[in-house]
Amino acid sequence: DQQVKQNSPSLSVQEGRISILNCDYTNSMFDYFLWYKKYPAEGPTFLISISSIKDKNEDGRFTVFLNKSAKHLSLHIVPSQPGDSAVYFCAASARWTSGGSNYKLTFGKGTLLTVNP
Amino acid sequence: EPEVTQTPSHQVTQMGQEVILRCVPISNHLYFYWYRQILGQKVEFLVSFYNNEISEKSEIFDDQFSVERPDGSNFTLKIRSTKLEDSAMYFCASNDANAYEQYFGPGTRLTVT
Repeated sequence: DQQVKQNSPSLSVQEGRISILNCDYTNSMFDYFLWYKKYPAEGPTFLISISSIKDKNEDGRFTVFLNKSAKHLSLHIVPSQPGDSAVYFCAASARWTSGGSNYKLTFGKGTLLTVNP
Repeated sequence: EPEVTQTPSHQVTQMGQEVILRCVPISNHLYFYWYRQILGQKVEFLVSFYNNEISEKSEIFDDQFSVERPDGSNFTLKIRSTKLEDSAMYFCASNDANAYEQYFGPGTRLTVT
């Protein structure tokens, strides 16, 4: 049951260029979306999030775009740096329908980003 | 910067044994979670905990699993009788009342032999 899909297992980009990581979801109840970055032997680290009432959120080099009608979101990293090399997870929650701040996250399988110097 | 901590980092146990995985969430957080990631698979939700009770649990979280907040700082996951398929990375996470994002610990690698 893949409610959150990251169809690209890996992505390789050159340092300084844009990295675009994609994520699709099927559950219409999802109303909050997050991107996490994970290095080997570490836990996921929160990067950026977006609520379903927005279509874009920007934080420094990271921008997340949400297309609700297509049930698609993407993470843009500009410019990409070698330190960005990691696995990136898309996650979603039905925050408002679950009430309060207590919500479970449904994760995609992740995309391994490699930024080459 | 406050962080979620987990102990041990690696636990090896024999099938049928009980294990307790420990977590110390960020001190002012009120909502606590356990997730797991089997090698090569996605991170999966196990259970959420608030106000000293389970808020939600997944199908994975059966009678062999339990959680507890024994004091004001620790949050534990107990597996009563481990199976080979319980081998995975177990992540603890927490968030406060106003935060949208969950903060994850470094994980405990559980190996059941």
